[in-house]
Amino acid sequence: AQSVSQHNHHVILSEAASLELGCNYSYGGTVNLFWYVQYPGQHLQLLLKYFSGDPLVKGIKGFEAEFIKSKFSFNLRKPSVQWSDTAEYFCAAPSSGTYKYIFGTGTRLKVLA
Amino acid sequence: GAGVSQSPSNKVTEKGKDVELRCDPISGHTALYWYRQSLGQGLEFLIYFQGNSAPDKSGLPSDRFSAERTGGSVSTLTIQRTQQEDSAVYLCASSLMGGDQPQHFGDGTRLSIL
Repeated sequence: AQSVSQHNHHVILSEAASLELGCNYSYGGTVNLFWYVQYPGQHLQLLLKYFSGDPLVKGIKGFEAEFIKSKFSFNLRKPSVQWSDTAEYFCAAPSSGTYKYIFGTGTRLKVLA
Repeated sequence: GAGVSQSPSNKVTEKGKDVELRCDPISGHTALYWYRQSLGQGLEFLIYFQGNSAPDKSGLPSDRFSAERTGGSVSTLTIQRTQQEDSAVYLCASSLMGGDQPQHFGDGTRLSIL
């Protein structure tokens, strides 16, 4: 079965620390991958997306993600987090051949000031 | 521009009652999705619409759940005979067609069943 896995469920960091959140997907073929973010009290919004080309994708607010096909991974990174990055982060991909999206279970990030 | 609008934002109802949740997608978005977000459960796919038709209803948890979309625009999710386990945030998203199109989410309806 196709799946999207996020292994870090809760992450706590101090400001200025580096961040890497893991995301693995289980299928091959054409891959479209997304990271969404949900800030406290706000709706889910797109952080970045990959569907072809340069495997290093840059998104908003200094976030980036690297698509590594051989590892079926699409990890989210930020060199130096801020308190305002406290949020829940979701990795997602459309199920192959459909428009049904599969979301990971999310990672709650808390950044300590 | 206007985003995805959901109403009501909060709904509290008694067990056994029916509830209707509404989603108004971004104009021109032909794809519409419903998800359920429960504490610690991530996003659970319920149903998606392509225009007015629903090619995939596989996520609806039981026959108490139904959804419709009219005019390729507004969608309603109906839960009949609500149960306490239906308590969750129900999210709607819309997008242009295509697997590479990002979804735009509404603020959700927080449903609480007493």
